[in-house]
Amino acid sequence: QKEVEQNSGPLSVPEGAIASLNCTYSDRGSQSFFWYRQYSGKSPELIMFIYSNGDKEDGRFTAQLNKASQYVSLLIRDSQPSDSATYLCAVSTGFQKLVFGTGTRLLVSP
Amino acid sequence: NAGVTQTPKFQVLKTGQSMTLQCAQDMNHNSMYWYRQDPGMGLRLIYYSASEGTTDKGEVPNGYNVSRLNKREFSLRLESAAPSQTSVYFCASSEIAGTKPYEQYFGPGTRLTVT
Repeated sequence: QKEVEQNSGPLSVPEGAIASLNCTYSDRGSQSFFWYRQYSGKSPELIMFIYSNGDKEDGRFTAQLNKASQYVSLLIRDSQPSDSATYLCAVSTGFQKLVFGTGTRLLVSP
Repeated sequence: NAGVTQTPKFQVLKTGQSMTLQCAQDMNHNSMYWYRQDPGMGLRLIYYSASEGTTDKGEVPNGYNVSRLNKREFSLRLESAAPSQTSVYFCASSEIAGTKPYEQYFGPGTRLTVT
């Protein structure tokens, strides 16, 4: 079992809809959780991080963490075609190290 | 600030050749990392350096060596390249700051093909 699991997608949503991206992790000791966006041929860029149970909002993005269920999600409201990318979930499992999921490809159609 | 820079951007090697990938950061970060990214496999950690003078193996270290030259620079060496090392290589850096989450900042990547 991989330490960080994501559905590879693609997840297709129409413009203006809410996109919901999900991630599960296996290490109960994980403390920090990150969402990165990666456009095709580009490097990952950080969107959000969360380390407390509950929701964290930043503009159109909301990260949700449920440590009891070992589940973290990213909601993108009012999705735009420019949001079409691969979204990587990453989990901190130890000192300074991150473990990445394989990513979910999001397609937002005009 | 340039952030994290990597050279070269593209490289083609023949099996058995050696090369060094260079990485530098200007954010005064203590920690630096080398990842490889393959289709369907996500980002996998090759080596990391928590601070100047220290290096540790990650998930897939075989076939690679690293050098933390100073606080700014962290290089990755392939001594005898193999086709299985065809990949995109990313360097990243992050700061250590108590309980602050350890967000990592990535360089633009090096696309390596081994024939």
